[in-house]
Amino acid sequence: GEKVEQHESTLSVREGDSAVINCTYTDTASSYFPWYKQEAGKSLHFVIDIRSNVDRKQSQRLIVLLDKKAKRFSLHITATQPEDSAIYFCAASDRGSALGRLHFGAGTQLIVIP
Amino acid sequence: GGIITQTPKFLIGQEGQKLTLKCQQNFNHDTMYWYRQDSGKGLRLIYYSITENDLQKGDLSEGYDASREKKSSFSLTVTSAQKNEMAVFLCASSIGGAYSDYTFGSGTRLLVI
Repeated sequence: GEKVEQHESTLSVREGDSAVINCTYTDTASSYFPWYKQEAGKSLHFVIDIRSNVDRKQSQRLIVLLDKKAKRFSLHITATQPEDSAIYFCAASDRGSALGRLHFGAGTQLIVIP
Repeated sequence: GGIITQTPKFLIGQEGQKLTLKCQQNFNHDTMYWYRQDSGKGLRLIYYSITENDLQKGDLSEGYDASREKKSSFSLTVTSAQKNEMAVFLCASSIGGAYSDYTFGSGTRLLVI
């Protein structure tokens, strides 16, 4: 089955700098790659996604890149702010994605230093 | 807007006890999920359900039962709590289908003494 690896368990950046979180996946049939944010003591909420028919998507300060050949996708947070500090989870859809089952990475703790 | 509610927020159980966690959503979502979150291990799928009365095992189903008697609710039972077990159980729902994101509940924090 699908395996998603999140390469950075912790990432520290200075406020205003960019942060990049990288993920890889194993299933070439995966077609949907969402990202979720978990702030301290709270549950996860959706932040941005990308589908396999594009290789880049931007929403304000968030950019997602997808490299299908390398089976790699990444979340770029530009001009980081203290409120960006959280755990970020990447996910990839299951083979037979009509079901929409997602496989999650282990999470990256992002710390933005003021 | 809709809401997904998990009860209880905190659960303290004893070793060997059967414990039930509940989840309700009013999005009219077809698909519901139960995940376990352990520190450093991300989210692991326990059970999911694509419609009322449907149950599908996830990667971590051993030691758990689930029930989807209504479209709006999905419950999870820990069949025999393990001593010193500590985890967060997250319920989620989605419309279902290839490109649907999840809405998560706020979680149930379990501690077994």
